[in-house]
Amino acid sequence: DTAVSQTPKYLVTQMGNDKSIKCEQNLGHDTMYWYKQDSKKFLKIMFSYNNKELIINETVPNRFSPKSPDKAHLNLHINSLELGDSAVYFCASSPGLGSYEQYFGPGTRLTVT
Amino acid sequence: GQQLNQSPQSMFIQEGEDVSMNCTSSSIFNTWLWYKQDPGEGPVLLIALYKAGELTSNGRLTAQFGITRKDSFLNISASIPSDVGIYFCARHHNAGNMLTFGGGTRLMVKP
Repeated sequence: DTAVSQTPKYLVTQMGNDKSIKCEQNLGHDTMYWYKQDSKKFLKIMFSYNNKELIINETVPNRFSPKSPDKAHLNLHINSLELGDSAVYFCASSPGLGSYEQYFGPGTRLTVT
Repeated sequence: GQQLNQSPQSMFIQEGEDVSMNCTSSSIFNTWLWYKQDPGEGPVLLIALYKAGELTSNGRLTAQFGITRKDSFLNISASIPSDVGIYFCARHHNAGNMLTFGGGTRLMVKP
C-alpha cells in the first residue's frame, strides 16, 4: 500500500564511509526527487529525475550520486560521508513535469559520527 | 538562502483555538502550496493555490493566495491535538518541477 517507500529508515555510520539510500514509488509516476532536511527543518531540493533522466542537480557535491534504474526507483549513493551530511533525506515523486503535487516518502535519518 | 519567509516560526496554542500563519516572498509566484509534516514523517500536501486572490478550504483549513501574488496565509480553525506538526509553504519551479520550501511553522497544541 505504501506509495513512496525508503530504506533504511535510520542510518548511522562513520565519517569516510560510503552508504546508499533506496527509494521506490508504486504510483506510476514519471518524476522523482531527493530532498535534504537539516537539523533546523529546512527542506531543500537536491535532485530531480524524469523518466530515469537527471533534470536538476541543485549544486549538490559530486559525492552524492543518484541512480534511477527504472521509473519507479531513485536511489541515492553517498561517498566519503562527512559530518555535515547528517540530515533527514526525503524521496518524493510526482505524476510528471508540470505536476505541482509531490508525494513524499517517510524519510531516512542519516547520522554521521 | 530562503526565498520564502514564514511566520511565526512556532506556535503553542490551546486545543479549540484558531491558528493563522503566513508566508511572504519578494518575488511573484504563480502557485502557492501548503504542506504539513507530522513528526517522523514526510510532508503531505494540504492545499494548492493557483490564482491570485484564490481562497481554498480543506476541512478546517483555509488558505488564500495574496492578491499581490507575493504572500499566502493558512488558517486552521478549532485546532485539535493531531494538528501538531510543521507547516510549510512552498513554491513550484517549472525548471525541474522542484519545490522551494519556507522555513516552516511548528505548531504545538495543548489538549
